[in-house]
Amino acid sequence: QQQVKQSPQSLIVQKGGISIINCAYENTAFDYFPWYQQFPGKGPALLIAIRPDVSEKKEGRFTISFNKSAKQFSLHIMDSQPGDSATYFCAANAGGTSYGKLTFGQGTILTVHP
Amino acid sequence: NAGVMQNPRHLVRRRGQEARLRCSPVKGHSHVYWYRQLPEEGLKFMVYLQKENIIDESGMPKERFSAEFPKEGPSILRIQQVVRGDSAAYFCASSPGQPNQPQHFGDGTRLSIL
Repeated sequence: QQQVKQSPQSLIVQKGGISIINCAYENTAFDYFPWYQQFPGKGPALLIAIRPDVSEKKEGRFTISFNKSAKQFSLHIMDSQPGDSATYFCAANAGGTSYGKLTFGQGTILTVHP
Repeated sequence: NAGVMQNPRHLVRRRGQEARLRCSPVKGHSHVYWYRQLPEEGLKFMVYLQKENIIDESGMPKERFSAEFPKEGPSILRIQQVVRGDSAAYFCASSPGQPNQPQHFGDGTRLSIL
């Protein structure tokens, strides 16, 4: 029940295309959902986060869509660029705060071809 | 504005030795988290500490692993009598502990066991 399932494992898109990564969860206590971007040899960096009181949040080319009833959320990267090539992790947390134990998905390796 | 600092970046130990991983949080952050990342996998929560207190150690192996965050100085993750299966990247994150402030990650310590 603590798992967050992420798909696909890997994704290849052309420059300018849309990258979509999906996550699903079971624990209804989760109420904070961040997405992290990780480059090789580096730590994860927060991209964008959402709480279940909204269905969508957009920051620049990155959008989170959230479906509370389906217990799913997704990351959309518009106009994907080669510099977006990285590993993306969704995560979830319970307790109404952004601190505490984060449960991560397995990660998606995104490759954007020029 | 230094971020989370982890050292060493790389650590090599022989089986049976001790490994000490250090984490200096962002200045002013009082909450520290440790995560472990195995190759090709997502991050797994290990422990959540506040100054001088362990808040949640549900992800910490029962034996050989310990963590502390003293009043002064960095947080330390200690692994005694290391085994090959301890080889992983260990990431530290910190947050100020306020509801809308995210966890910031360091670049990790890559631990290799010979």
